[in-house]
Amino acid sequence: ETGVTQTPRHLVMGMTNKKSLKCEQHLGHNAMYWYKQSAKKPLELMFVYNFKEQTENNSVPSRFSPECPNSSHLFLHLHTLQPEDSALYLCASSHEGYEQYFGPGTRLTVT
Amino acid sequence: AQSVTQLDSQVPVFEEAPVELRCNYSSSVSVYLFWYVQYPNQGLQLLLKYLSGSTLVKGINGFEAEFNKSQTSFHLRKPSVHISDTAEYFCAVTHGNQGGKLIFGQGTELSVKP
Repeated sequence: ETGVTQTPRHLVMGMTNKKSLKCEQHLGHNAMYWYKQSAKKPLELMFVYNFKEQTENNSVPSRFSPECPNSSHLFLHLHTLQPEDSALYLCASSHEGYEQYFGPGTRLTVT
Repeated sequence: AQSVTQLDSQVPVFEEAPVELRCNYSSSVSVYLFWYVQYPNQGLQLLLKYLSGSTLVKGINGFEAEFNKSQTSFHLRKPSVHISDTAEYFCAVTHGNQGGKLIFGQGTELSVKP
């Protein structure tokens, strides 16, 4: 595997379900990010991790819970989501805060 | 606060024609600038970047961009587009000391017609 990978690529979940999104980077980077991309809206930065420490939480609702066990892996735990949370969730990584490299995204649908 | 404005939400163009996608940013300090491309149902791919040095930056797929500090612009250009260039293009800006926080523009949808 190379670059940034994300699983699953597609996810459909009910409002009472609990699920997790996974991101893995194979680039040796020290920073990882979660973004939300909704239709017709700019990319929204959700969380930033540097060397496994969370350095940014962009006022994200608590039903989204990130986890970064090491510099290569990033998770986004989801529970009690709302239909408006349906979006493409993108993970990215970078070295020393320069250009970011993105994964293919997880298309989430909340029913 | 930083902001990025992509002046055109949609740009239709015929195949083999030149194209320019416009991007303006607001910042009072030195910036790093990027262009990303997003094909349908995919993540963002880095096209090119300006960190320092020459103001004319060349990227992948024949694209280039010019950093103009006096006009706070970073327009993306290609002299001859292909059908395969149809995608969404995003301009982004950051400072080096912001822990990698990128500010993205709203995106420009490039549609190349035969």
